[in-house]
Amino acid sequence: DAKTTQPNSMESNEEEPVHLPCNHSTISGTDYIHWYRQLPSQGPEYVIHGLTSNVNNRMASLAIAEDRKSSTLILHRATLRDAAVYYCILAAGGTSYGKLTFGQGTILTVHP
Amino acid sequence: DAGVIQSPRHEVTEMGQEVTLRCKPISGHNSLFWYRQTMMRGLELLIYFNNNVPIDDSGMPEDRFSAKMPNASFSTLKIQPSEPRDSAVYFCASSSQGIFSNQPQHFGDGTRLSIL
Repeated sequence: DAKTTQPNSMESNEEEPVHLPCNHSTISGTDYIHWYRQLPSQGPEYVIHGLTSNVNNRMASLAIAEDRKSSTLILHRATLRDAAVYYCILAAGGTSYGKLTFGQGTILTVHP
Repeated sequence: DAGVIQSPRHEVTEMGQEVTLRCKPISGHNSLFWYRQTMMRGLELLIYFNNNVPIDDSGMPEDRFSAKMPNASFSTLKIQPSEPRDSAVYFCASSSQGIFSNQPQHFGDGTRLSIL
């Protein structure tokens, strides 16, 4: 499985935008870029995913570099509830049934 | 809508005992995934099913672990005999997957397992 690299931790202030980076230089043409987050004592929660184009949903935006070797998850206005571990994952296309391989993720701390 | 339901939420048992974890996926989902999370190893995929058929069990740590999906609305993960190193949080997730699709996975709240 192709690997992703994320910073171990990041900090933000409440109501400010947060840009969470992810490098995936060995991404293949059929790999989807997924983001999940895990709040304390909960299961992972889907945030967003994309293949080539930038994506927006009610939770966040996903900006994908033109060469697809990196991506950025954007939280437009951080809240205290956004404090979590954020995982950037490459999900192989093809005969994988959407298999996910989680890395260590980025611990996001949000300050009031 | 009900999400993925796992039971029990917590399990404490002695080494050597059989442990059975249960999962009810979201209705209509055809793929089911079992994960294990520890501080040392993070989140690991153990096994996943598509249309009740095991597709990949390469993540199952050893023969003491087994998983079944007798129908579309129920799956079990069994550990026999259990060992202290099996202590972890076990998550079940489900999704609407086809062989070439890439749909989000929906996770349950997990079972926190402690083997004494």
